[in-house]
Amino acid sequence: NAGVMQNPRHLVRRRGQEARLRCSPMKGHSHVYWYRQLPEEGLKFMVYLQKENIIDESGMPKERFSAEFPKEGPSILRIQQVVRGDSAAYFCASSPNIMEGILGTEAFFGQGTRLTVV
Amino acid sequence: DQQVKQNSPSLSVQEGRISILNCDYTNSMFDYFLWYKKYPAEGPTFLISISSIKDKNEDGRFTVFLNKSAKHLSLHIVPSQPGDSAVYFCAASSGGSNYKLTFGKGTLLTVNP
Repeated sequence: NAGVMQNPRHLVRRRGQEARLRCSPMKGHSHVYWYRQLPEEGLKFMVYLQKENIIDESGMPKERFSAEFPKEGPSILRIQQVVRGDSAAYFCASSPNIMEGILGTEAFFGQGTRLTVV
Repeated sequence: DQQVKQNSPSLSVQEGRISILNCDYTNSMFDYFLWYKKYPAEGPTFLISISSIKDKNEDGRFTVFLNKSAKHLSLHIVPSQPGDSAVYFCAASSGGSNYKLTFGKGTLLTVNP
């Protein structure tokens, strides 16, 4: 859905560099979810954030990965010291309210950021 | 450990015929199931969902069937149209954490004119 804006669309990083992926939710949405799709795999949940709060980060690797959703500005998924295995498509979704925010009719995915680590 | 399996990587169907996409799951705690459609270079788009208290949900040309005893669900598209050509993902969640979906690997549907 064009309403959830992710940038950049494509990102190339050398091993050891940092990658920053941005997600601007749809207007009026205060819940953001990050998913990762490795090659030939389905999407996997990483983290769920509300403004200034991490609600559930159970799907995020413990090291090198972090996420934030500040009071102002987009949500950021940050990957430090990238490795080849981080190459994937990273999708962000947003919803207005978790009670209704079943990842279905009330939530929408962005177009994704394709990260390539060389 | 793949808890949601879509065993057919691809499916080809003639326009106007029925498309049946299948999905199996292993986690008996799953109680909510969704189908997403994804075009190349786009994010997944929600299609249809079903709660475990139902065995069928219909929305226009799309119907999802759930067989809990077999841990199997299917998506029927009738009639199929060329614009339906996309990758279809089956997803499941449990315990009200409906933001934490477990996805299958997807099935590429091609509808031939």
